[in-house]
Amino acid sequence: RKEVEQDPGPFNVPEGATVAFNCTYSNSASQSFFWYRQDCRKEPKLLMSVYSSGNEDGRFTAQLNRASQYISLLIRDSKLSDSATYLCVVNIIGDKLIFGTGTRLQVFP
Amino acid sequence: NAGVTQTPKFQVLKTGQSMTLQCAQDMNHEYMSWYRQDPGMGLRLIHYSVGAGITDQGEVPNGYNVSRSTTEDFPLRLLSAAPSQTSVYFCASRQRLSYGYTFGSGTRLTVV
Repeated sequence: RKEVEQDPGPFNVPEGATVAFNCTYSNSASQSFFWYRQDCRKEPKLLMSVYSSGNEDGRFTAQLNRASQYISLLIRDSKLSDSATYLCVVNIIGDKLIFGTGTRLQVFP
Repeated sequence: NAGVTQTPKFQVLKTGQSMTLQCAQDMNHEYMSWYRQDPGMGLRLIHYSVGAGITDQGEVPNGYNVSRSTTEDFPLRLLSAAPSQTSVYFCASRQRLSYGYTFGSGTRLTVV
């Protein structure tokens, strides 16, 4: 079983839609969690950290469920510019960050 | 601030050649890492460092060496390039364990 698993998609949604991505992780000792965004042929960029209490940044909401070992990202009112690959990232121990393979989102007009 | 700077951006090597991918950050970050990204595999950790003089292996360290003589620089050395090392290489740094990484723009390496 992979340490971090994501549905690869693609998720094709119209502008204005709400879309949610899930990610599961296998190591219950995982300490920190993040969502990254990666555009085609670019470097990953930090979208947001994920906290146990859940957190929101504008149209983006991240949730963590430690009991079930999953992380979610909700995007409301999707924009064309949200089209990208979204990477789930888990800090297992020490400085080892493990990346999921990503979920591709395509927002169409 | 320039952030994380990687050079070169593109490189073609012949099998058996060696080379060094450069990575420098100007944010005084303690933690630095090297990842490679291959289609369908996601980013995989090659080596990482928690401070000057301290390095450790990640998931896929074979064929690569690193050193961290200063806080700013974290070069990755390919000892004897193989076609399996064709990939996109990213260097990243962060200030604390609870923070996310800042990535460089990557080096696209092709080994023929």
